[in-house]
Amino acid sequence: DTGVSQDPRHKITKRGQNVTFRCDPISEHNRLYWYRQTLGQGPEFLTYFQNEAQLEKSRLLSNRFSAERPKGSFSTLEIQRTEQGDSAMYLCASSSGQPQETQYFGPGTRLLVL
Amino acid sequence: AQSVTQLGSHVSVSEGALVLLRCNYSSSVPPYLFWYVQYPNQGLQLLLKYTSAATLVKGINGFEAEFKKSETSFHLTKPSAHMSDAAEYFCAVSDRVTGNQFYFGTGTSLTVIP
Repeated sequence: DTGVSQDPRHKITKRGQNVTFRCDPISEHNRLYWYRQTLGQGPEFLTYFQNEAQLEKSRLLSNRFSAERPKGSFSTLEIQRTEQGDSAMYLCASSSGQPQETQYFGPGTRLLVL
Repeated sequence: AQSVTQLGSHVSVSEGALVLLRCNYSSSVPPYLFWYVQYPNQGLQLLLKYTSAATLVKGINGFEAEFKKSETSFHLTKPSAHMSDAAEYFCAVSDRVTGNQFYFGTGTSLTVIP
């Protein structure tokens, strides 16, 4: 069990550019979650996958945000046409899928949009 | 909908003193409850969770929390603070039926004074 990993850990981009973040969950976990955390706030749910199926995406912040998990393993979160307000920490978590099960979080990707 | 309130965005205690971090939830059905800790520039680490077994839950690093249905609370305590406990603490709830996402509080920053 190597834990949840995220890449990159830091990303600086210019406004209007597209960015993509990757998350590798714990291998036996079939659920994968994306959250956004802004300074001084708790994580805010964005979307989640059960295997390769995206079961909830209504909380994605705008249509500039999209996520995929094509083979039910790693996932990517893409932000198109970034804005300064997108600057935040993006966290990925995984779990076995039962409601009472712990979500295990990765270290996050910190995005700065200039 | 689930929600979590953490009273006190900043708490300072002296080393060796009692730590008390407050969490109240809002839900018609008692949810699953979690406490996470976050160190600077890191992801979230689970401290403990309540999933309807014993109402007093013991976690890592000497922390414990008690679920009180009558007060809709899940406060986190530690008898004696250590310098290494300085971090951000988040309370989270998960719906019992779906567990699709966690709802996080805004966090409490704990400072330990030597």
